[in-house]
Parts: sequence; C-alpha cells; structure tokens
Amino acid sequence: DGGITQSPKYLFRKEGQNVTLSCEQNLNHDAMYWYRQDPGQGLRLIYYSQIVNDFQKGDIAEGYSVSREKKESFPLTVTSAQKNPTAFYLCASSRRGFNTGELFFGEGSRLTVL
Amino acid sequence: GESVGLHLPTLSVQEGDNSIINCAYSNSASDYFIWYKQESGKGPQFIIDIRSNMDKRQGQRVTVLLNKTVKHLSLQIAATQPGDSAVYFCAELGGAQKLVFGQGTRLTINP
Repeated sequence: DGGITQSPKYLFRKEGQNVTLSCEQNLNHDAMYWYRQDPGQGLRLIYYSQIVNDFQKGDIAEGYSVSREKKESFPLTVTSAQKNPTAFYLCASSRRGFNTGELFFGEGSRLTVL
Repeated sequence: GESVGLHLPTLSVQEGDNSIINCAYSNSASDYFIWYKQESGKGPQFIIDIRSNMDKRQGQRVTVLLNKTVKHLSLQIAATQPGDSAVYFCAELGGAQKLVFGQGTRLTINP
C-alpha cells in the first residue's frame, strides 16, 4: 500500500547528540515536509522540499537540517543546536506544493531528550 | 500577523448528536482551507477542504462552511460516533503560500 513511513516511532537522545529521523514515501509525491508538534499546539513547519535536491526553511528551521537526494526520502536531523528538541515530529508529502491538495502525514516520531 | 485560531480548545458532545468546530483566520487573502483529524499518537488525516470561491462543501457526514466576511471556518460533523473522538485542526494557505495550522480542538464523544 502507498503511504509515508517514519522511523523510529520513539527515540531517546542525550543532550548534545544529533539524531536523524527517517521519512520515506512511495506515493510518487514531489513535495515533502517536516512539522513539529508540541503538546496542545498546532503543527509548525520546520523544512519543506518541493522537488529533489531543493528545500526551503520553514518557520522554525533553527537547529534542524534536511536533505532531499531522492524523491522518496526526506530525512530530518535534529542537531545539538536545537534548544528544545523534545517533541512529536511529523513528516508529510503532497502531490506538488501546498495549494495543490491534501498533505499525507506519516505516523510521527516522538523524540525525547534525556 | 498571520494566524489561525480556534474558539474552543475542547468540545464534548453526545453520541449521535451533531458537532460544530469553529476556526477563525486572520489573512483575508487566504484562498484555501483544510480540516484535519488527528487521533491520539497518530499523524493528521485529511477530512475536507474548501477554496475561497465556495462557501460550503459537503463530504460524508461532514460539512465545511466558509464565511469570508468574518473570516470564519467551521466543520460540522453529523451524527457523531465514538470514532470521531480526536483533535481537529483547521489549516489555512497563507500569504507565504505555506499552510498555517490552528491550535486544534479536542472533540470528545460521550456515550
């Protein structure tokens, strides 16, 4: 079945460590996105990519990095520079950009910094 | 600034009743709106969308109403079921051509 797969589902990290969250989609979508969700809040955009080998910063990109070497994959690295990394991270994709239809979300990765 | 807000953070309804979830937006230039449903521990799922050239759109048991005059969006769910319990988000395609999500409303269905 087509969809978006995020891994790991749960991740624990010590302060000062970088961690990479995986996001893979087999929907043949051009655009991919990373959002952060904190308890009781909406989703905030970290990075997005409209096409392979291109990506743009979202509203809260500081302390994060991404790559888009393949259409299917959009990994997110949470670096030690991110001051408050504990959160629920959601990856999404869409056929093209934001205004061309719905975003398909993965099941999320919950990162906890110890 | 650009923002999408919800009038109520929580809403409880009896099973079988209709529910209405409201959303206010601030950017009068926004022309595309989406409602998402998020169940506990999962990613959001698309429910329904509406473009600004419409004021009403219906899906299966759901209706979205758009009032551009007062910049208000609502999601109506008919004959609520236990599976409707979730957090509902509205999202607005803002001036920067990026989706802006609201805070969310938690809908609880009472038996």
